[in-house]
Amino acid sequence: DTEVTQTPKHLVMGMTNKKSLKCEQHMGHRAMYWYKQKAKKPPELMFVYSYEKLSINESVPSRFSPECPNSSLLNLHLHALQPEDSALYLCASSRGINYEQYFGPGTRLTVT
Amino acid sequence: AQTVTQSQPEMSVQEAETVTLSCTYDTSESDYYLFWYKQPPSRQMILVIRQEAYKQQNATENRFSVNFQKAAKSFSLKISDSQLGDAAMYFCAYRSQGGSEKLVFGKGTKLTVNP
Repeated sequence: DTEVTQTPKHLVMGMTNKKSLKCEQHMGHRAMYWYKQKAKKPPELMFVYSYEKLSINESVPSRFSPECPNSSLLNLHLHALQPEDSALYLCASSRGINYEQYFGPGTRLTVT
Repeated sequence: AQTVTQSQPEMSVQEAETVTLSCTYDTSESDYYLFWYKQPPSRQMILVIRQEAYKQQNATENRFSVNFQKAAKSFSLKISDSQLGDAAMYFCAYRSQGGSEKLVFGKGTKLTVNP
């Protein structure tokens, strides 16, 4: 089973809203990732969790707040976003740092 | 810092034909991993193939194979017997072997498969 699930599939939110994106995997992977992808561009790494601890934060604005409650679950809390934050947000997981990453289907976020 | 270059923004191929997508990279490391990911219009990134730099043998996965030239820092993807379902954006990616979870992506090549 190489499935990473993400909810919701689509999200529209105003600039004053608070929302969360959810990512889940049941492959026993110990590393999980958040990426942001703009149209016709490659994914850009935002955060990496390794063994449920934040190991990489790619200088992401504080309006994005990641959380890893357990080894299977990764959340991305959103608050006071800007229209330029509209993008596809991809979650990925891997067995460890030297293993390939498996991606979820993404959440299409629109900030109005 | 490592960089990955995909020089073909768009490619097209006839169904059942063969197409090769190019990828070059720049690194001073000797041990690393290279990947090709496929992203169809459905958006999900799908791992197509993986190559370890220490392996001289080119990786293959069914109709997908790579031509890995370590000295030339080249990692091309060959798709044989192209199918309509192969139409997608293809990303080449690099990852260091140790101590870094970060994937470095190329800008992608959009592949169109014509019936």
